[in-house]
Amino acid sequence: EIVLTQSPGTLSLSPGERATLSCRASQSVSNNYLAWYQQKPGLAPRLLIYAASSRATGIPDRFSGSGSGTDFTLTISRLEPEDFAVYYCQQYGSSPSFTFGPGTKVDVK
Amino acid sequence: QVQLVQSGAEVKKPGASVKVSCKASGYTFTTYTMHWVRQAPGQRLEWMGWINTGNGNPKYSQNFQGRVTITRDTSASTAYMELSSLRSEDTALYYCAREWGGKYFDNWGQGTLVTVSS
Repeated sequence: EIVLTQSPGTLSLSPGERATLSCRASQSVSNNYLAWYQQKPGLAPRLLIYAASSRATGIPDRFSGSGSGTDFTLTISRLEPEDFAVYYCQQYGSSPSFTFGPGTKVDVK
Repeated sequence: QVQLVQSGAEVKKPGASVKVSCKASGYTFTTYTMHWVRQAPGQRLEWMGWINTGNGNPKYSQNFQGRVTITRDTSASTAYMELSSLRSEDTALYYCAREWGGKYFDNWGQGTLVTVSS
């Protein structure tokens, strides 16, 4: 089973700043089947990015994903107040398996 | 709009079973696979299994094989997840999530808190 690790655990930034979140896989992610989700307190996760770099429907273009193989990045170009949340990466693999990273919390500096 | 509405919070004793429901609306229920994902306090999201809502075939994570049963009622557009032999470590928020693109989850229920305590 592929294990995902995310860094940093917490990212303290101010509105308007750029956020760069990392997701690393223990093995290569098949066909870059990697997604990013945003979760706010008391709410379910929300799909942001799929296939490593494609934005889901309705997601603002300040969110972008990149990477391949074992290293992936979520970038938020300019943080809006509503972007402070926890972000998870998720991969799909054969068997099938769906695994998630431990999350990165983006909080207000 | 797509909505997944789950049943309410449950408190169970160790060794008991729990059954959580997920009622779908806003789309054709049988055209999307439904998954169950849980989130224990301080832990990462954990995939439990899915059900092909069209033919009713389930698939389970090896981590839950033998303890979880996922079913559906197409007439009610509802999926169910039953977890047996509960232990304290099963205390978690349980989500249903609609599969999209065969690999991702594009809509989620609001979550059902299951607390296992003696």
